[in-house]
Amino acid sequence: LAKTTQPISMDSYEGQEVNITCSHNNIATNDYITWYQQFPSQGPRFIIQGYKTKVTNEVASLFIPADRKSSTLSLPRVSLSDTAVYYCLVGDGYGQNFVFGPGTRLSVLP
Amino acid sequence: DAEITQSPRHKITETGRQVTLACHQTWNHNNMFWYRQDLGHGLRLIHYSYGVQDTNKGEVSDGYSVSRSNTEDLPLTLESAASSQTSVYFCASSNLAGSLNEQFFGPGTRLTVL
Repeated sequence: LAKTTQPISMDSYEGQEVNITCSHNNIATNDYITWYQQFPSQGPRFIIQGYKTKVTNEVASLFIPADRKSSTLSLPRVSLSDTAVYYCLVGDGYGQNFVFGPGTRLSVLP
Repeated sequence: DAEITQSPRHKITETGRQVTLACHQTWNHNNMFWYRQDLGHGLRLIHYSYGVQDTNKGEVSDGYSVSRSNTEDLPLTLESAASSQTSVYFCASSNLAGSLNEQFFGPGTRLTVL
């Protein structure tokens, strides 16, 4: 079971690009990397998932280096509404591979 | 629109009582999950199910049970509630097994055990 490490908190200003890095040194061959966002008093919401290289959707980009021991979630031009907790998950989706760490609390300031 | 709902949204109970939290999804997803989230922490997996009649223990299953009699519902039962089970409980569902495909989460149930 791959353990993940993320910064506990980050601050940013509106309009800036935010990069949140997750370390997962013991990631397995079959593991995917998935990021979720959670607002206060709500359940987490899926943001993006990837296996290697770069994945982009309408919300974010996910950068995964060749060794896959880390990944970076990139949020372009954040707004106040992006203030939330962001979780990095690593696993193959089977068994108990649904481990949410403490996440990164992102605060976007005006 | 398809959705996942939880009830009740808030519950206060006493130590030793049996409590059941409901989770209902209308996506026809095979996979359903229960998590608990304690203040300032991430979510921890309690139980999960890959289909009707299938249930599996998660990381923190002691004191909890689930049953899956149909696709739509996965009720979570606390057999004898303890103060340590005061938490926010989230139910989730997903369509496919394998790879961490998208899980859809309910709004949560805030449970207080006095």
